[in-house]
Amino acid sequence: GQQLNQSPQSMFIQEGEDVSMNCTSSSIFNTWLWYKQDPGEGPVLLIALYKAGELTSNGRLTAQFGITRKDSFLNISASIPSDVGIYFCAGQLQTLISNDYKLSFGAGTTVTVRA
Amino acid sequence: NAGVTQTPKFRILKIGQSMTLQCTQDMNHNYMYWYRQDPGMGLKLIYYSVGAGITDKGEVPNGYNVSRSTTEDFPLRLELAAPSQTSVYFCASSRTKPPGTQYFGPGTRLLVL
Repeated sequence: GQQLNQSPQSMFIQEGEDVSMNCTSSSIFNTWLWYKQDPGEGPVLLIALYKAGELTSNGRLTAQFGITRKDSFLNISASIPSDVGIYFCAGQLQTLISNDYKLSFGAGTTVTVRA
Repeated sequence: NAGVTQTPKFRILKIGQSMTLQCTQDMNHNYMYWYRQDPGMGLKLIYYSVGAGITDKGEVPNGYNVSRSTTEDFPLRLELAAPSQTSVYFCASSRTKPPGTQYFGPGTRLLVL
């Protein structure tokens, strides 16, 4: 499968700070997705990106689809305690001849907020 | 608004035992998926289904089986549990095929000793 490298692996952030994390791939993707997983829960989709260069926001979250189509970035502005969790990137490459139902997931960035 | 439900939440199995992880969704989604999540790793697709009666292998299907007799249910079967199957298992469903939004259940934590 496609290899996704997500960084950083973990971060401690001060409440109110802006933070960034990124995901890089060895392959070109047509779609980038960002999920958040709260402790003891399943992942929840935060933002979906479908076009190279696309910049999309969801509240205090902003994600970008890299122009090389091999990377994506997620920014959280003005961190609050409920931002704690694990953030996963996922990508999918679709071709006209493929019925690939597989999303490639990164290993996650664990965010802990210091109050 | 139940969404995707999974049972059990936690289970300990002995090597060689069998069990079925249950998954039910009430959103009338055609597409359903089983993933496993290992520590420090991304989710890996085990099996998926595009509708009742239709299933196919994902990235890591060995040691698992699935069935899809109804739209709502997508159970995952482990026939001969092995320590390598210790993991957290997530079921998900979507209205459209990937990259359509997948809704995940809360997970089943399985420990094989």
